[in-house]
Amino acid sequence: EDKVVQSPLSLVVHEGDTVTLNCSYEVTNFRSLLWYKQEKKAPTFLFMLTSSGIEKKSGRLSSILDKKELFSILNITATQTGDSAVYLCAVDMNTGNQFYFGTGTSLTVIP
Amino acid sequence: NAGVMQNPRHLVRRRGQEARLRCSPMKGHSHVYWYRQLPEEGLKFMVYLQKENIIDESGMPKERFSAEFPKEGPSILRIQQVVRGDSAAYFCASSRQAGGYTFGSGTRLTVV
Repeated sequence: EDKVVQSPLSLVVHEGDTVTLNCSYEVTNFRSLLWYKQEKKAPTFLFMLTSSGIEKKSGRLSSILDKKELFSILNITATQTGDSAVYLCAVDMNTGNQFYFGTGTSLTVIP
Repeated sequence: NAGVMQNPRHLVRRRGQEARLRCSPMKGHSHVYWYRQLPEEGLKFMVYLQKENIIDESGMPKERFSAEFPKEGPSILRIQQVVRGDSAAYFCASSRQAGGYTFGSGTRLTVV
């Protein structure tokens, strides 16, 4: 059965801390892995990863994919209260029809 | 270029009523996806539509739920005879081709 598992389920850190969010997957016909940030409304796109070992960066956020070990990590450095959100990982299974989402990691950044 | 527009933002229905959720995709996007987010759960795929066609409805409950994406107008997710368990946030996403989603802001359905 295809699955996407995120860990931890929730995380509370202080401003300035660095966090690492994990996403592991077991799917057939993997095409890409995507990270989204969800605050009170719609998920917003962060990264799409298709190749192993190539880090993608956007400001304080970065992500990398390991297709051999079937996981991805999302790093956030120097966290700010505005980073508080649920971070969703999704796998595109090359069916063209749907993404499989994990249940998300809820991050709370305390001032 | 407006993003994916969903309305209403909040919808309250009594048990047994019908709920209609609308989604207008981004301009130029012909693929629409509906997802449901239940409390404490991730986004669950429901249905994938292209204009006038349902491509994949493997995530749709067998009864009471239906979706359409007519040639003109928004995509509609319809829930008949709503029950409390239907209370959730329903998100629509659109894309120009398969993949590369843009999400709407969602409709929060509350069944009382």
